[in-house]
Amino acid sequence: SYELTQPPSVSVSPGQTASITCSGNNLGDRYTSWYQQKPGQSPVLVIYQNYKRPSGIPERFSGSNSGNTATLTISGTQDMDEADYYCQPWDSSTEYVFGTGTKVTVL
Amino acid sequence: QVQLVQSGAEVKKSGASVKVSCKASGYTFTGYYMHWVRQAPGQGLEWMGWINPNSGNTNYAQKFQGRVTMTSDTSITTAYVELSRLTSDDTAVYYCAREMNKMVDYWGQGTLVTVSS
Repeated sequence: SYELTQPPSVSVSPGQTASITCSGNNLGDRYTSWYQQKPGQSPVLVIYQNYKRPSGIPERFSGSNSGNTATLTISGTQDMDEADYYCQPWDSSTEYVFGTGTKVTVL
Repeated sequence: QVQLVQSGAEVKKSGASVKVSCKASGYTFTGYYMHWVRQAPGQGLEWMGWINPNSGNTNYAQKFQGRVTMTSDTSITTAYVELSRLTSDDTAVYYCAREMNKMVDYWGQGTLVTVSS
């Protein structure tokens, strides 16, 4: 099955930039979504189709996808952004696997 | 507004089956695939499969083939996932999630399924 790798954790100071990577074979060929999940809550879509933001998601969230790596960037990170983040590529020929997840800690 | 409301927590014995429901409202139920995702305690998200409520077609993750059944009842705009031959490894929160154009835009609140021996 298709494997996706994310760093287990990322630490960032308030106001700084956090970058979360998601690596998989030819991931750049697939539209990738990103989900934010806070403890005890359902996931929330923050990025879809590599870089698009759903309505209501702050502009500080951005995404890119090229080669074997998709990246979620949080600019001007706030305390409320502390959460787990998961990538998910979309490809009808494969199972809809999720990345391993990254815990973002705002120090 | 779009809402996905799931059934309540379940406690099952090993070897039993469980069926979780997901009541959809606020949109055309047959117009969107419904996915099921689970999350074991302290673990990541695990995709289980999807159902097309319009056709009844399904696509299951290989890991669950033969043990999972996804169905829907369009008359009451409700999707279901049933998992059989439960083990302690199936203890998890189960989510339904609506797909729109290669993204999941709405999630249910989750249903905790606890499997005890």
